[in-house]
Amino acid sequence: QVQLVESGGGVVQPGRSLRLSCAASGFTFSSYSMHWVRQAPGKGLEWVSVISNDGNNEYYADSVKGRFTISRDNSKNTLFLQMNSLRPEDTAVYYCGREYFDSVDYWGQGTLVTVSS
Amino acid sequence: DIVMTQSPDSLAVSLGERATLSCKSSQNLLYSSNNKNYLAWYQQKPGQPPKLLFYWASTRESGVPDRFSGSGSGTDFTLTISSLQAEDVAVYYCQQYYNTPYTFGQGTKLEIK
Repeated sequence: QVQLVESGGGVVQPGRSLRLSCAASGFTFSSYSMHWVRQAPGKGLEWVSVISNDGNNEYYADSVKGRFTISRDNSKNTLFLQMNSLRPEDTAVYYCGREYFDSVDYWGQGTLVTVSS
Repeated sequence: DIVMTQSPDSLAVSLGERATLSCKSSQNLLYSSNNKNYLAWYQQKPGQPPKLLFYWASTRESGVPDRFSGSGSGTDFTLTISSLQAEDVAVYYCQQYYNTPYTFGQGTKLEIK
């Protein structure tokens, strides 16, 4: 069955960096575009980024453009989100998700990132 | 960016009654070349990731009960639950994927009256 498992979250000081990973299994990872979506505590969903199945195309929310980089390693079935220059407003649960007809059909359980001094 | 606005912010409905949730986009989501509306609906229960309910505005995801229906086109969309069940208590989000950034609505919290 399809599984997505995020890791790499934690507490980090403002201005520092963090790299999230999403390990995928149960499907042909290299055939699917992948997304990151975040949710601040008690708030709604915010789309963060998407990467094409081959890694050649990537798009970002305005709020993270220039600070976050999405990437993937199809040989290891893993999606990444490199987060630099972190701000307190980046505090959220970060979900990875598999694209399905441009929506997201499978989601991980999320990993919490807390940006605080 | 396309702005998605959901209404109401919260809704209380009696068990067995109909629930109607609205989602409006600031731009047309109907892609003329394939006649598809680039809109999805998700359900999120506390402590869980979102669950896809509908894509292309009205195509029900596998396993979603048929008491749920999605409708609308262009800029106005509706999620309807024909007979509310206790397990339907959740926050419901619409999302457009017509253009990046793929924006979500703010959500509608559905409760039992």
